[in-house]
Amino acid sequence: GAVVSQHPSRVICKSGTSVKIECRSLDFQATTMFWYRQFPKQSLMLMATSNEGSKATYEQGVEKDKFLINHASLTLSTLTVTSAHPEDSSFYICSALPRGTDTQYFGPGTRLTVL
Amino acid sequence: AQSVTQLGSHVSVSEGALVLLRCNYSSSVPPYLFWYVQYPNQGLQLLLKYTSAATLVKGINGFEAEFKKSETSFHLTKPSAHMSDAAEYFCAVRNFGNEKLTFGTGTRLTIIP
Repeated sequence: GAVVSQHPSRVICKSGTSVKIECRSLDFQATTMFWYRQFPKQSLMLMATSNEGSKATYEQGVEKDKFLINHASLTLSTLTVTSAHPEDSSFYICSALPRGTDTQYFGPGTRLTVL
Repeated sequence: AQSVTQLGSHVSVSEGALVLLRCNYSSSVPPYLFWYVQYPNQGLQLLLKYTSAATLVKGINGFEAEFKKSETSFHLTKPSAHMSDAAEYFCAVRNFGNEKLTFGTGTRLTIIP
């Protein structure tokens, strides 16, 4: 149980294009989902907290217009990197918090490379 | 504000030896504490968690951790290292009523054959 999927697992795009990453909780409902960014050999940096049906809460320093988050249902959240640039290249990981629990379950991550 | 410190960004142990990964936390209230493991190019997998029940917590793959309030520590141990334990390990803290996790900087565990 408590499986989180991400799609795609790897994406390469040209500078200036937009990329959408999906995060799904497969066997539970998640009232809250989180998006993290991880640079090589570093820890996870929380980008935003996403609650179903409401606007995401972004961490300080994260551009909300660049990283669009939509939490359309209790099992799906999407992160769209708009007008991507090479500096946006990173490993993006989502996590989901099952309703009424205290443990986040993580997706396998998405490797974004912007050329 | 809560924080987590992981001492040692790299730890190497011989196969069959004791694994000890250190984690100290800073929190104004009794926290929830977690250990996650990350294999290359993958997401994080929960190893174990402390949520104010028993102070000695047993997790998957033979790992365990002990919550010591007096030392503000939550060190991860495994009696006998296996080659498959080679990975990155993250300690994380979460305060009651706050959904956010704060992660340590991670410890890369290398197993020497």
